[in-house]
Amino acid sequence: DTAVSQTPKYLVTQMGNDKSIKCEQNLGHDTMYWYKQDSKKFLKIMFSYNNKELIINETVPNRFSPKSPDKAHLNLHINSLELGDSAVYFCASSLAGNQPQHFGDGTRLSIL
Amino acid sequence: DQQVKQNSPSLSVQEGRISILNCDYTNSMFDYFLWYKKYPAEGPTFLISISSIKDKNEDGRFTVFLNKSAKHLSLHIVPSQPGDSAVYFCAAKGNGNKLVFGAGTILRVKS
Repeated sequence: DTAVSQTPKYLVTQMGNDKSIKCEQNLGHDTMYWYKQDSKKFLKIMFSYNNKELIINETVPNRFSPKSPDKAHLNLHINSLELGDSAVYFCASSLAGNQPQHFGDGTRLSIL
Repeated sequence: DQQVKQNSPSLSVQEGRISILNCDYTNSMFDYFLWYKKYPAEGPTFLISISSIKDKNEDGRFTVFLNKSAKHLSLHIVPSQPGDSAVYFCAAKGNGNKLVFGAGTILRVKS
């Protein structure tokens, strides 16, 4: 059983479009995250939610909006996609702040 | 500004020998350190961690060493196996839940 699942795995779209990536975890964790892995392979935190409440919001363009309908889900919506948004986006979850984070397999977003 | 640095992009080791992966950090407020392993097309998988109050943590073939004065940690894998071939990420946590990752080191274990 997949612990942290993201859909879709691949997303190819045109510049200017709006897209969403879904993330679900079945681990019973309270905290969920979104990371971006850029072309230099660095994993950088974008957002974190604890029990549906936003607790980390890094310097990310307003075009990126996370939504957490419940503590098992954290979706990422991106408006007006730009070429620089091309990256692999990883969702993660943890039981608490000091616990290791469990990652999904990533969504590779390609902007044409 | 890279707060966590993995200066070796890749490492090649013979099966059965020791693999040593290194990581340096600059932020003295980091209090918890983790190593993650990543296979292609998969997400990072947690491997082992260490709190800043310790200098060593061991789990089977994996041992993490922390030298706070040098702001340096290392991951030792003994004995190395071909299945250990992957990208290894060092990560550090300070205030809050934010993890700061290094760029990763590709480990190749040759049989």
